[in-house]
Formats: sequence, structure tokens, C-alpha cells
Amino acid sequence: DGGITQSPKYLFRKEGQNVTLSCEQNLNHDAMYWYRQDPGQGLRLIYYSQIVNDFQKGDIAEGYSVSREKKESFPLTVTSAQKNPTAFYLCASSMDRVRYGYTFGSGTRLTVV
Amino acid sequence: DQQVKQNSPSLSVQEGRISILNCDYTNSMFDYFLWYKKYPAEGPTFLISISSIKDKNEDGRFTVFLNKSAKHLSLHIVPSQPGDSAVYFCAAGENNNAGNMLTFGGGTRLMVKP
Repeated sequence: DGGITQSPKYLFRKEGQNVTLSCEQNLNHDAMYWYRQDPGQGLRLIYYSQIVNDFQKGDIAEGYSVSREKKESFPLTVTSAQKNPTAFYLCASSMDRVRYGYTFGSGTRLTVV
Repeated sequence: DQQVKQNSPSLSVQEGRISILNCDYTNSMFDYFLWYKKYPAEGPTFLISISSIKDKNEDGRFTVFLNKSAKHLSLHIVPSQPGDSAVYFCAAGENNNAGNMLTFGGGTRLMVKP
């Protein structure tokens, strides 16, 4: 079955540590995205990538980093520079036209302990 | 500047009645609109979409209406069911241009009471 997989489902991080959230898709989509959702808030774009080896900052990129070495994979690293990393993180992928919409993963809940 | 706005953070409806979720946009270049449904701790799932060449699209209990002159769209759910309780996001993009970026609204939490 084609889909987009995020792992882990839950992640705990100590303050000062970097953590990496995984996102893998087998939909052959060129574009991939990372969003953050806080309680009672909408989806805020962190980073996106339209093609392998290229990515752009979204609205809230500070304290995050990404890589896009393979079409299927778009990992997100939450660095110690992110002041408030506790949130629900969503990865998505899409084809080349908006009418196809986005396919979202099931999310990763990150908690700083 | 929010280009897509959902001005109602929450909506409570009795089971069996109609739910109407609203969305406004400011970018006149948007020509394709989508609604997503999201349960807690899950990713959003696609619900229904509409192109700007139409003013209505229906899929079972869900109907989306588009008023281009008012830059307004709405999602109607009839009849509402308790399982419809979720957060609904509207999204908009430019389908006629190359590219695939969607702009999301802030979401509306729908609560359907039994």
C-alpha cells in the first residue's frame, strides 16, 4: 500500500538535545512538507522540499533543520535552538498540482522533559 | 497576513442537524480549494474539494459551496453525526500554475452532540 509513514509516534527529548523525526513516503511524490501543530492552533509550515536536494524555509523554520537526499525521505531535526519544541509534528507529501492535495502522515508527538 | 481564514474556532451542533463550516480567502489567484478533517493525534485526511469553475461540489453528506465574488467557501454536513466531531481545515492553492503549495486556514473544531 502506498502511503506516508512518520516515526516514532511519540518522542521524548531532554532539554538541550537534538532529535530527528522520520518521514518516509512511497507515493512517488516530488514534494514533501513539515508542519507543526500546537494545541488549539492551526498548521504552521516549518520546511518544504519540491525536489531532491532542495528545500526551503517555511514560516517557522528557526530551530529546525531538514535534508532531502532521497525522494522518499524528508527527516526533520529539532535542534536545541528551538525554544519551545513540544508539539505535534506532521509530515505531508504531494504531486505537482494542488488539485491532488496533500497526503499526511499520522504525526509525531514530541515532548520535552 | 493570513490568506485563508476560518473565523470560527469551534462549532457545536446537535446530531442530525446541519453543520456549516466557513472559510474566507483573500488571494484572488486561488482557484482550487480543499477541506481536510483531522482527529486528535492523527494526520489530516482529505474530505472534499472544489475548483473555481464550479460553485458547488457534493459527496454524500458533505457539500462544499464556493462564492468567488465574496471569496468565501463553506462546508455543509447533513445530517451531522457524532463521528464527524473533529477539526476541519480548509486549504487553497493555485491549480493553474505550476506548483503545489496549499495555504491552510487555522481550523474549526466541530463537536456533534448525540
